[in-house]
Amino acid sequence: DTGVSQDPRHKITKRGQNVTFRCDPISEHNRLYWYRQTLGQGPEFLTYFQNEAQLEKSRLLSDRFSAERPKGSFSTLEIQRTEQGDSAMYLCASSRGLAGGKYFGPGTRLTVL
Amino acid sequence: DAKTTQPNSMESNEEEPVHLPCNHSTISGTDYIHWYRQLPSQGPEYVIHGLTSNVNNRMASLAIAEDRKSSTLILHRATLRDAAVYYCIQNNAGGTSYGKLTFGQGTILTVHP
Repeated sequence: DTGVSQDPRHKITKRGQNVTFRCDPISEHNRLYWYRQTLGQGPEFLTYFQNEAQLEKSRLLSDRFSAERPKGSFSTLEIQRTEQGDSAMYLCASSRGLAGGKYFGPGTRLTVL
Repeated sequence: DAKTTQPNSMESNEEEPVHLPCNHSTISGTDYIHWYRQLPSQGPEYVIHGLTSNVNNRMASLAIAEDRKSSTLILHRATLRDAAVYYCIQNNAGGTSYGKLTFGQGTILTVHP
């Protein structure tokens, strides 16, 4: 039974660089969410996909952030021109339905120097 | 904004039951009650969810008040591995909420050997 996987698990980058994270959801789950979590806080919603369609984006998702889910399978989250304030854990979750449990991956920890 | 209220922290002894309370006085008819837990440096883990009736699974039980304004997560025999931050979340499965989760601060559960 494979859960949600994320790659890389850790990323250190210099300010101004671009980074891309990947999320592979549970195979039969058509809904996919991205969250961001900073130290000592609960996760915050960033964006939601139903199949390949991106249906909602949080105000937290500035124009430097872009997410895709081609073919409704894996998803990528790209951050352009990273800033120190982007340092956080980026979490991906998937689910089969809207009401049921969401299954999270282990996260990608981003450190921007 | 988080709509649930939980104690900041609770303590328990190993092998004793733990009752984690949550108030959700603004809950609506389409809101499910979800519980997740998070260990340090890991993604949140789905625990249980329910709508109106009490629910049981292999991890825990969820007792929902008749008026649905509060609920209690019950861990029947706490182990050291249950030490985590527990999040109680109102999850709206309808309309344009798309089932996204709004995390609060959660309850830090400490389990003593």
